[in-house]
Amino acid sequence: NAGVTQTPKFQVLKTGQSMTLQCAQDMNHNSMYWYRQDPGMGLRLIYYSASEGTTDKGEVPNGYNVSRLNKREFSLRLESAAPSQTSVYFCASSSGQGNEKLFFGSGTQLSVL
Amino acid sequence: QKEVEQNSGPLSVPEGAIASLNCTYSDRVSQSFFWYRQYSGKSPELIMSIYSNGDKEDGRFTAQLNKASQYVSLLIRDSQPSDSATYLCAVNPFVSGGYQKVTFGTGTKLQVIP
Repeated sequence: NAGVTQTPKFQVLKTGQSMTLQCAQDMNHNSMYWYRQDPGMGLRLIYYSASEGTTDKGEVPNGYNVSRLNKREFSLRLESAAPSQTSVYFCASSSGQGNEKLFFGSGTQLSVL
Repeated sequence: QKEVEQNSGPLSVPEGAIASLNCTYSDRVSQSFFWYRQYSGKSPELIMSIYSNGDKEDGRFTAQLNKASQYVSLLIRDSQPSDSATYLCAVNPFVSGGYQKVTFGTGTKLQVIP
């Protein structure tokens, strides 16, 4: 009964370093998403994958890349981290049939110094 | 104008009272409306969804939708300290399809005072 699993839970980077956030879901969902949450800004969509093999930009894609590795896994990569990318990152999934709920992972607290 | 607007709060209510959380949205074609609850340091969790005008009840929770006024609300009856959390309003304009263009409000922080 894992649902959506995100790793790592915490990460501290120096400016310019790179890292990949991993996300996997075991609900056979078609659609997966990466959000970031900042105080006073709410949840903002970074990238999404409507189905396996497709990815598209969301509201705030600059500085990020994604890979939909297979139906289960969707990773988010920061190539050259910047302090502005300090945030809490959430992966989410949905069945992809419309009108259904988003299931969220537990989140990654990322600090870029 | 933000697409989905919520009062950030905090909204403080005594235990046992009714908590009323409000949300307005700007996109008139919006079809689906959701309320997520987020405890401090945790991820959002869906508690209610509503798609047509009127009220939808689930236990102590009632979602209300008025598309003409572009307004959606969440009532929590018999509020408990465990209801203390931030409540996120989310709006989706699409009825069907693979991609949910869900837009979230910034959330209302609810504090239930014992």
